[in-house]
Amino acid sequence: GDSVTQMEGPVTLSEEAFLTINCTYTATGYPSLFWYVQYPGEGLQLLLKATKADDKGSNKGFEATYRKETTSFHLEKGSVQVSDSAVYFCALIPNNNNDMRFGAGTRLTVKP
Amino acid sequence: GAVVSQHPSRVICKSGTSVKIECRSLDFQATTMFWYRQFPKQSLMLMATSNEGSKATYEQGVEKDKFLINHASLTLSTLTVTSAHPEDSSFYICSARGPGLVTNEQFFGPGTRLTVL
Repeated sequence: GDSVTQMEGPVTLSEEAFLTINCTYTATGYPSLFWYVQYPGEGLQLLLKATKADDKGSNKGFEATYRKETTSFHLEKGSVQVSDSAVYFCALIPNNNNDMRFGAGTRLTVKP
Repeated sequence: GAVVSQHPSRVICKSGTSVKIECRSLDFQATTMFWYRQFPKQSLMLMATSNEGSKATYEQGVEKDKFLINHASLTLSTLTVTSAHPEDSSFYICSARGPGLVTNEQFFGPGTRLTVL
């Protein structure tokens, strides 16, 4: 079935470092792709999304491009901040139903 | 727009009691609501999907008699953990989607942390 695989963490970076969190997916057709962020003790917040191939989602300096040829949706940020420390989830919704499938989550810690 | 609330945010109860968690869509009509469970440092696991006015569809391995879900209106779904035990302690998150939203995106509540003593 449709699924998402994201890089295992934890990831620890220094402030202003470049961030990449890899996410690849397996799906039939064209799923919608999402990145969510979860801060400690809180629910999920949508970070960005893309609904078709070659779309680029962006928000708060984060970007991810929907790559059909590599079935990927890697999350990137050019310069991370301490406040970006959180768990990041890649997710997809298949194009034929409503179920959202989540990756395992990647914990990011940014040190000053 | 598209805000989802949950109540309570935290609950501590004794083993054997029942706990009800509410999930509300504040500014849209949620025709479908989802209930997830999240263990520490793990991803979200879908428990059940509920459509307004009909019975919930439970994922394999989720006991429907233990986790009662009611979606009686377009803005409210409830999850009742019956006869709770310590192994039911977890973070429960609901999400909602509804008609008129541009994509099939789900909007998530802030979660409810349940601790069963």
